[in-house]
Amino acid sequence: KAGVTQTPRYLIKTRGQQVTLSCSPISGHRSVSWYQQTPGQGLQFLFEYFSETQRNKGNFPGRFSGRQFSNSRSEMNVSTLELGDSALYLCASSLESENAYEQYFGPGTRLTVT
Amino acid sequence: KNQVEQSPQSLIILEGKNCTLQCNYTVSPFSNLRWYKQDTGRGPVSLTIMTFSENTKSNGRYTATLDADTKQSSLHITASQLSDSASYICVVSASNNDMRFGAGTRLTVKP
Repeated sequence: KAGVTQTPRYLIKTRGQQVTLSCSPISGHRSVSWYQQTPGQGLQFLFEYFSETQRNKGNFPGRFSGRQFSNSRSEMNVSTLELGDSALYLCASSLESENAYEQYFGPGTRLTVT
Repeated sequence: KNQVEQSPQSLIILEGKNCTLQCNYTVSPFSNLRWYKQDTGRGPVSLTIMTFSENTKSNGRYTATLDADTKQSSLHITASQLSDSASYICVVSASNNDMRFGAGTRLTVKP
């Protein structure tokens, strides 16, 4: 079974631009969660989608948004990029939404904002 | 306030030695605790997941313990290998699906 895939792996953007990141979960997994990881803050939860609906949301500004498609693939969008948005963005999938289920992480997208 | 604190922040050991990483939490009501290993530039990989009723779980040379009364967990690595060099992250989930991440322990295994 293929693991979680994320595209692109690396991305360089300038301040003010917007960016869209993509995540394909493991086949059969219906829950997709997004995380931001920076050296200073560690891993921080952005949001979780399950069956095309946002189930949980972390404490991030509205510039961060996401969606999930009927095939469980998910996209994350960041508008009006700021330097502080430079981070590794990780996507994780699991069978169901409840946290008792194992989460499988993708390799991440390294975003650099200049 | 739900918190997860890990110690030490970083650790250097010699190949073949054992080590123990600590995780203290205040997350409530507790649902489960996970340990992840994250190699540089890669996504985290799950090592163990423990619920309230479990106090120890092993995965090869990795053994996690949980004391739900004192809200402490430890990850013990036996006979360390160079490939164990990574960050180890403790994640605690509450019953309402709130997940809290520790800052991680950076382990370096030297030959």
